Amino acid sequence: DAGITQSPRHKVTETGTPVTLRCHQTENHRYMYWYRQDPGHGLRLIHYSYGVKDTDKGEVSDGYSVSRSKTEDFLLTLESATSSQTSVYFCAISDPPWAGQDTQYFGPGTRLTVL
Amino acid sequence: AQSVTQPDIHITVSEGASLELRCNYSYGATPYLFWYVQSPGQGLQLLLKYFSGDTLVQGIKGFEAEFKRSQSSFNLRKPSVHWSDAAEYFCAVGAGDSSYKLIFGSGTRLLVRP
Repeated sequence: DAGITQSPRHKVTETGTPVTLRCHQTENHRYMYWYRQDPGHGLRLIHYSYGVKDTDKGEVSDGYSVSRSKTEDFLLTLESATSSQTSVYFCAISDPPWAGQDTQYFGPGTRLTVL
Repeated sequence: AQSVTQPDIHITVSEGASLELRCNYSYGATPYLFWYVQSPGQGLQLLLKYFSGDTLVQGIKGFEAEFKRSQSSFNLRKPSVHWSDAAEYFCAVGAGDSSYKLIFGSGTRLLVRP
């Protein structure tokens, strides 16, 4: 998994509670991403980061926020979880596109269930 | 808006048979195209990518894909499937002119008969 860990790997929570998922890398890649995977939808980009404190929205960012205070960690927060956010969440990392290395390496995923 | 279509939700092939997984995209210019594979309970792994140049791209694990602009397709092929190829396969396109904001298709699950 190219030195990417996600925590927790599984979480069950209740509607309305805040949830934070962590992605940690040991590869020193500049770009980091959060995706969600749902049946019939493939993966959809939630947010991404192109450097420390530099983040931008993806395709499905509503209801999610992110933070990146250091290179190795990228946090995804659900401020008030809803059942529609039940999903499998994947973190990915890559070098900058201009570095010629556009491959994204994916973490093992976090399965989140919101009851 | 850009999109990626994988028309086959499931495909079953016999071990040793050839494989072709279909991918169609919508984008006006030359896209960045990718194929990823996901084994059960795992993250995704890049098989191959196309940015420009030769339209036939070789990847890992014996896979190849051909970019056909006229058909807006980027189909994945393998001449002889192994049981270990059973997995889910995702085609993706870079959004806009980016190669990193990926739009994924809904995936094709490959089953391999012994």
